[in-house]
Amino acid sequence: AQTVTQSQPEMSVQEAETVTLSCTYDTSESNYYLFWYKQPPSRQMILVIRQEAYKQQNATENRFSVNFQKAAKSFSLKISDSQLGDTAMYFCAFMKRGSNDYKLSFGAGTTVTVRA
Amino acid sequence: DSGVTQTPKHLITATGQRVTLRCSPRSGDLSVYWYQQSLDQGLQFLIQYYNGEERAKGNILERFSAQQFPDLHSELNLSSLELGDSALYFCASSVVPGELFFGEGSRLTVL
Repeated sequence: AQTVTQSQPEMSVQEAETVTLSCTYDTSESNYYLFWYKQPPSRQMILVIRQEAYKQQNATENRFSVNFQKAAKSFSLKISDSQLGDTAMYFCAFMKRGSNDYKLSFGAGTTVTVRA
Repeated sequence: DSGVTQTPKHLITATGQRVTLRCSPRSGDLSVYWYQQSLDQGLQFLIQYYNGEERAKGNILERFSAQQFPDLHSELNLSSLELGDSALYFCASSVVPGELFFGEGSRLTVL
C-alpha cells in the first residue's frame, strides 16, 4: 500500500509571497502519478497540478509548480505570488499507473491561509 | 462548477438509520468514485465503479454499499448508521486517470 505524508498541518503566507508545501510518499511502484488537489472553504476538491513519475521535468500550472524528487520520494508544491483565493486545504495524492483502477491515496492535507 | 452533482448536500439522521447518497457524474464520464472525508481519517477511498461495474474497493464498511446505474448515476447506501459515520461524502468522476472532478459533497451528521 502507498502512504502519502504531508508534515505541515498549517501554513500562513502573505499575499504576493511564495509558499512551499511538502509531501513525501512511500511506494515500491516505479510508474505512478502524483497530484495536488485544493479544497477551498466551499469544500469542493479541485485538481491543481499533476506529475507523471516517468517525466523528469517538473510540472507547472501558472503560479503553481512542483519539485519532484523521485529518488527521495518527495513532491512539493510551490505557490508563487499567493492570492487570497489560494486560501484552502491542499492535498497531495498518489496513484499507481497501469492499474485497472484509478484510486487516489491522499495525504492528510495542509491548510494554507493567505493574509492580506 | 465541476459538473458532478451530489444530493443531498446536508442530512441529519439518527443512529441505526439508513441513508442514500446520490451522484450524477459529468456528462460522458464512465468512472464514479466515492470518498469519505472525516477529521480523524482524512480522505478515504471507498469504492469505484466503471460503466456500471465495480472496479475497485477501498476502506468501505460492510454496512455500506454502492451501485452505478445504466444512466451512470451512482448511489451510496449507508445503513445501521453509527456516530462515527458522520463525515463528508464525496463523489467524483473522471476520464483521465487521477484527474478527478469532485462534487460538492454530502455532509452526513449522525446523532
